[in-house]
Amino acid sequence: KNQVEQSPQSLIILEGKNCTLQCNYTVSPFSNLRWYKQDTGRGPVSLTIMTFSENTKSNGRYTATLDADTKQSSLHITASQLSDSASYICVVSASFRGGATNKLIFGTGTLLAVQP
Amino acid sequence: GAGVSQSPSNKVTEKGKDVELRCDPISGHTALYWYRQSLGQGLEFLIYFQGNSAPDKSGLPSDRFSAERTGGSVSTLTIQRTQQEDSAVYLCASSLVAVQETQYFGPGTRLLVL
Repeated sequence: KNQVEQSPQSLIILEGKNCTLQCNYTVSPFSNLRWYKQDTGRGPVSLTIMTFSENTKSNGRYTATLDADTKQSSLHITASQLSDSASYICVVSASFRGGATNKLIFGTGTLLAVQP
Repeated sequence: GAGVSQSPSNKVTEKGKDVELRCDPISGHTALYWYRQSLGQGLEFLIYFQGNSAPDKSGLPSDRFSAERTGGSVSTLTIQRTQQEDSAVYLCASSLVAVQETQYFGPGTRLLVL
């Protein structure tokens, strides 16, 4: 069964600290993995997309890693800011029929609260 | 437009009524997606339109849900005979060509069925 699990479910950190969010998946055949940030009351915004051959990708203070062998990904946030408070969603794409059909499997997200 | 827009922003309806939710994708984007996000739950895929191909309806939860995309642009998600469990945020997204690309999400329509 294709599943995406994220941990922790929620996290509280102090402003300026770093944190790492985890994503484990059992999706096959794997196409790519994405991290989204969703502010309260807003639609998700894409942070990174990684394919099978990519191990790490950065977007400002956000760095995502991917280990396709262990089917794990992490999102590291450096020097957190109050505006980082949001839900972070891991999404894995499965590709079928030579790429003609793709399915997106969503994790339930990690709710991050950054406190002053 | 600059981004994906959805209307209405909020919708309150009575159980048993039909509702229509609208999505305007980014101009030029051929792929359009509908998702549902219930309180405390993850995003749930509903339906996917790609150009002129038959839509992928595999995520629609029941035959009360339907969607259409006219002229390859604007899409309407229709929920017939709404139930309280239909209460959720309905999100629309678009991408330039295909699922493999970045999807840009709209702000969502918050549906409350009383």
